[in-house]
Amino acid sequence: SQTIHQWPATLVQPVGSPLSLECTVEGTSNPNLYWYRQAAGRGLQLLFYSVGIGQISSEVPQNLSASRPQDRQFILSSKKLLLSDSGFYLCAWSSRVYEQFFGPGTRLTVL
Amino acid sequence: AQKVTQAQTEISVVEKEDVTLDCVYETRDTTYYLFWYKQPPSGELVFLIRRNSFDEQNEISGRYSWNFQKSTSSFNFTITASQVVDSAVYFCALSEAYDYKLSFGAGTTVTVRA
Repeated sequence: SQTIHQWPATLVQPVGSPLSLECTVEGTSNPNLYWYRQAAGRGLQLLFYSVGIGQISSEVPQNLSASRPQDRQFILSSKKLLLSDSGFYLCAWSSRVYEQFFGPGTRLTVL
Repeated sequence: AQKVTQAQTEISVVEKEDVTLDCVYETRDTTYYLFWYKQPPSGELVFLIRRNSFDEQNEISGRYSWNFQKSTSSFNFTITASQVVDSAVYFCALSEAYDYKLSFGAGTTVTVRA
């Protein structure tokens, strides 16, 4: 069966510090991978998605970037965090156009 | 433009009551997929169901049921005999043919009181 991992689970970072969130998927190959952000009390915003190694599509211009160095690894990064980067970050995977399966998420607080 | 509308922001019911969550979608594609997800207080989104545009059969899974009506572009979700564990935010979502992305509604917060 497939599983998706995210770490860390929670993170508190000062403004201006770098960020690296990692997501890995097990039990499947060549998945589509996604990063979402959910601000407090709000809906889901798609940030990035990837259909293959090194292929990244950005949905929203922002202070963040994503990379996919391996087939089942997806990384969300920032060089300098802003207060507005606070939120709940969710990674998901899917097999082409069908349902997406989500990881446990990372709660990021930028102070 | 928003493709999925969940007009109900919050619903509060007493245990054992039925609750219906509305979802209205908009798409020009003839082939598309509709989904419901549950987000409990822990935060992880849990996939509940996928419906294809060419399959209008309603579906029942335990206390959950879904009513898909293409004529009104709706995909409503009913929880029968609600329980406290059903308290969560529920999201409806849409993906169009050959598009990897999901368009989520704003979500409906369901609170079931004992």
